[in-house]
Amino acid sequence: EVQLVQSGAEVKKPGESLKISCKGSGYSFSNFWIGWVRQMPGKGLEWMGIIYPGDSDTRYSPSFKGQVTISADKSISTAYLQWRSLEASDTAMYYCAKHLCSDNSCYSYFDNWGQGTLVTVSS
Amino acid sequence: DIQMTQSPSSVSASVGDRVTITCRASQGISSWLAWYQQRPGKAPKLLIYAASSLQSGVPSRFSGSGSGTDFTLTISSLQPEDFATYYCQQGNSFPRTFGQGTKLEIK
Repeated sequence: EVQLVQSGAEVKKPGESLKISCKGSGYSFSNFWIGWVRQMPGKGLEWMGIIYPGDSDTRYSPSFKGQVTISADKSISTAYLQWRSLEASDTAMYYCAKHLCSDNSCYSYFDNWGQGTLVTVSS
Repeated sequence: DIQMTQSPSSVSASVGDRVTITCRASQGISSWLAWYQQRPGKAPKLLIYAASSLQSGVPSRFSGSGSGTDFTLTISSLQPEDFATYYCQQGNSFPRTFGQGTKLEIK
């Protein structure tokens, strides 16, 4: 069974750094793109970026480039989302999810999702 | 960026009704479109990919159609568990983008 298990909720102050994680199991972690999606309170889904753990090729949305860092450690099947300096506007639920591959084709859609990590930034 | 616009933003319907949700892309995306369902407090769930392919395990009352710029998600006979928010997402170009969501509520 494919599983993506995310790290627990975080409460941080503005200016603090943070790294949240997403551990994959039940599939070949290195060979599937994995991405991050933001959902601010009461709002819709925002595509942040993706990484291919096999070679760490990374694509960012311009809205998030320079604001966060996406990384992965294929040796422990874990992807990360990192902030150097949090702002109150980073308060949101963050989901990791892996790309779909079906019938020898892979697509830029997310078929398995983590449970979400709630990040709260408040002074 | 490609803008994805869903309509309506919300819809009220009854169990057994047929419901259609529309997603329009700001430029052509061929068939590179997916639909997701999100229930309150839960992660999104992939329903449809490549515009019309049903994801494994998803009930056949869900169907998708369209290509180019205009797409639809149809639920043929609403069940109580279908009341949720639905999102489209384009997979044609970077950055991938989601629609703003359509909330399906019980009438």
